[in-house]
Amino acid sequence: ILNVEQSPQSLHVQEGDSTNFTCSFPSSNFYALHWYRWETAKSPEALFVMTLNGDEKKKGRISATLNTKEGYSYLYIKGSQPEDSATYLCAFEVDSSYKLIFGSGTRLLVRP
Amino acid sequence: NAGVTQTPKFQVLKTGQSMTLQCAQDMNHNSMYWYRQDPGMGLRLIYYSASEGTTDKGEVPNGYNVSRLNKREFSLRLESAAPSQTSVYFCASSEFEGLGGETQYFGPGTRLLVL
Repeated sequence: ILNVEQSPQSLHVQEGDSTNFTCSFPSSNFYALHWYRWETAKSPEALFVMTLNGDEKKKGRISATLNTKEGYSYLYIKGSQPEDSATYLCAFEVDSSYKLIFGSGTRLLVRP
Repeated sequence: NAGVTQTPKFQVLKTGQSMTLQCAQDMNHNSMYWYRQDPGMGLRLIYYSASEGTTDKGEVPNGYNVSRLNKREFSLRLESAAPSQTSVYFCASSEFEGLGGETQYFGPGTRLLVL
């Protein structure tokens, strides 16, 4: 059974703090790792798709790194803002199958 | 562009009733997916359709059927609803050019409560 773990489950930070969370996934049969941002009552929105070991992606204040050999990815948010409050989901794609296995997410709350 | 749309937004069913959840996308995507999301769990794939005319089971297909009506529309049917099917259902689509690593675009979700 392929399992994707995300930690922590939830995180409360103060506005301006930088933060990071982890996604752990199987290191075999890896094709891609996806990160999504999901605000309450909205659709999950794609942040990054990473395929290569050592990949680093950046979008504004949010960046992500990928280590396929050891099976983890980090998502970083620099200078968190209240509008960053959301659940961050990662998903492991097996063998270019376009079938995604999602983690249960990290819920981030940024206090003003 | 509306992206991915889903109807209804919310539905209450009694055990044993049937219903169809509708999904449509206007991005000319080839692949479409149905997921369910339960508290404390990740999104789980129910069924997917790689292209018009094909459908395949995902991780949790039992109790569901799907129809890929045309390239735009992918419906999910519950023939005899059970309380265990209380969940939030998301439809998604992706371009699918056979390479993998593609972004999936999600609809707003349908909240289903089965009493």
